[in-house]
Amino acid sequence: DTGVSQDPRHKITKRGQNVTFRCDPISEHNRLYWYRQTLGQGPEFLTYFQNEAQLEKSRLLSDRFSAERPKGSFSTLEIQRTEQGDSAMYLCASSIGTSSYEQYFGPGTRLTVT
Amino acid sequence: DAKTTQPTSMDCAEGRAANLPCNHSTISGNEYVYWYRQIHSQGPQYIIHGLKNNETNEMASLIITEDRKSSTLILPHATLRDTAVYYCIVSAAGTDSWGKLQFGAGTQVVVTP
Repeated sequence: DTGVSQDPRHKITKRGQNVTFRCDPISEHNRLYWYRQTLGQGPEFLTYFQNEAQLEKSRLLSDRFSAERPKGSFSTLEIQRTEQGDSAMYLCASSIGTSSYEQYFGPGTRLTVT
Repeated sequence: DAKTTQPTSMDCAEGRAANLPCNHSTISGNEYVYWYRQIHSQGPQYIIHGLKNNETNEMASLIITEDRKSSTLILPHATLRDTAVYYCIVSAAGTDSWGKLQFGAGTQVVVTP
């Protein structure tokens, strides 16, 4: 399968712990996006990368959140000192070029903070 | 702020056409209309996009009104696998917001046998 992959698919953690998610985009897709989705809502944009450069961060992304994309390949999203409000589905998407109309989404990582 | 307005839910009979409306009355001249759908427990999936003209692909047709203030996604022959939440999104080409998809709550479509 050559689609966008995310790992892990599910994560349960205790409040205050740090968690890290990984996203592997489609090969040669130079744009990578992170979204967060809570129950009953549509996905909300968090941040995106053009190759290894992080071009924008949403105000939803507090200081506890950090994302990286070393070498413009896979990306990681880390949440420090997790809170119950961080419980959500974290979605990754990739697209080719800056003018692509279509984003390809991964299956998401479901985070539950207890 | 939401740029699009969609009905919360709609039902459709299997084999019939499903017509999903979307209002985007404040759309700008350089903003495209996109449709994505999200089947339960999966990531969103691109369906179709358009600027001014009507568009058709293997999944659906997109009808955009002449004033571009509303559009309709048409699934010509709905199947049970089309049950999903459908999102109508507007996004401007050539701007910093390009690619930052702003999803609303979408329309929950249930296709029944």
